[in-house]
Amino acid sequence: EVQLVESGGGLVQPGGSLRLSCTGSGFIFSSYAMSWVRQAPGKGLEWVSSLTGSGGITYYADSVKGRFTVSRDNSKNTLYVQMNSLRAEDTAAYYCAKGIGGYSYDKMDYWGQGTMVTVSS
Amino acid sequence: QSVLTQPPSASGTPGQRVTVSCSGTSSNIGGNTVNWYQQLPGTAPKLLIHSNNQRPSGVPARFSGSKSGTSASLAINGLQSEDEADYYCAAWDDSLDGLIFGGGTKLTVL
Repeated sequence: EVQLVESGGGLVQPGGSLRLSCTGSGFIFSSYAMSWVRQAPGKGLEWVSSLTGSGGITYYADSVKGRFTVSRDNSKNTLYVQMNSLRAEDTAAYYCAKGIGGYSYDKMDYWGQGTMVTVSS
Repeated sequence: QSVLTQPPSASGTPGQRVTVSCSGTSSNIGGNTVNWYQQLPGTAPKLLIHSNNQRPSGVPARFSGSKSGTSASLAINGLQSEDEADYYCAAWDDSLDGLIFGGGTKLTVL
């Protein structure tokens, strides 16, 4: 059974940093693209970042480019996003999601339960 | 605002057919495939349709997708109460070099 479990969310002050993790199981982690998608309270879905199975190619939304860094450790079956210079508008539930293939950034067939990030003083 | 345009709401009675539209441009829907996600209240999104009209295993056949030019549609035949959810379209945008979602459509089963 495919499972994705996020962790690392919490309350952080504006300008602060946070690292989210997502551990996958039940599939060959290194074979699939992975993505982060966020959802502000009461709002719609917003894509944050994606990377290939090897981690060699990464993509970012303009809203986080230069502040967030996505990475993965395939030996640990874990996806990360390092979030720096956090702003109030980054407050959201952050979901990790698995692509249906190695380069499938738009077709995400399994999602984690989400971890909440709140940026506030 | 979202680059893909969806109606904010839709509704229907049990058994009806309901459609949700998604409008984009040549840099997204016009040149790439469209995917649809269903988000039930309080849960993570679920892939409902991918590659314009492909249903993942386990998705009922009453859900279908189509695409024409720079627009796409999700159709639900035989509407059921458990279909009450938010529906999002998504497509890769070649100009933005990123994934974009529609604003979402809240479907109410009357």
